[in-house]
Amino acid sequence: DTEVTQTPKHLVMGMTNKKSLKCEQHMGHRAMYWYKQKAKKPPELMFVYSYEKLSINESVPSRFSPECPNSSLLNLHLHALQPEDSALYLCASSQGGFAPQHFGDGTRLSIL
Amino acid sequence: RKEVEQDPGPFNVPEGATVAFNCTYSNSASQSFFWYRQDCRKEPKLLMSVYSSGNEDGRFTAQLNRASQYISLLIRDSKLSDSATYLCVVCYNTDKLIFGTGTRLQVFP
Repeated sequence: DTEVTQTPKHLVMGMTNKKSLKCEQHMGHRAMYWYKQKAKKPPELMFVYSYEKLSINESVPSRFSPECPNSSLLNLHLHALQPEDSALYLCASSQGGFAPQHFGDGTRLSIL
Repeated sequence: RKEVEQDPGPFNVPEGATVAFNCTYSNSASQSFFWYRQDCRKEPKLLMSVYSSGNEDGRFTAQLNRASQYISLLIRDSKLSDSATYLCVVCYNTDKLIFGTGTRLQVFP
């Protein structure tokens, strides 16, 4: 069982919709991450939150908007996505620094 | 040159075989090293951290050679359940993992 939980597991949305992905961890980790993964490719880092503050944004388009309400929760708000944004979105958490990251089981997103 | 390079495979091996994966990384300032396992359509799962002294976890042995910037993973007595993609991961900037493209292993009966 994963200690990082993500909801929903699957999401289908149109290009004009607004939706949010949610992530929760109860390991007391101080860093949380969003990744995007396309089929047969490694995960690509999108955002990093450290101590609830955005510390890294890997030049992600503004149609993706992260939010960290508290140390256990991480959201990714989606608006006006494109078909090429269809992918597996993974949340991860870690103690930060050079520590290993622990992944949730992801949200599989399809944009119609 | 890619920051982390792996042979994509696939490696097709029979049950009980020993198989080794290699990985090279380009940044000599890398601080931490990991092997992750990813099953089809699932999330990456940490298999083990890798240390210069080498470390073993059951049938799995990982080794790091900093001088050659080379990481290895050895799987002994392969099981059908070992079939997965194995990701070599390196970290040289705080909070940023650099993933290799993965090596696919298929264990057959």
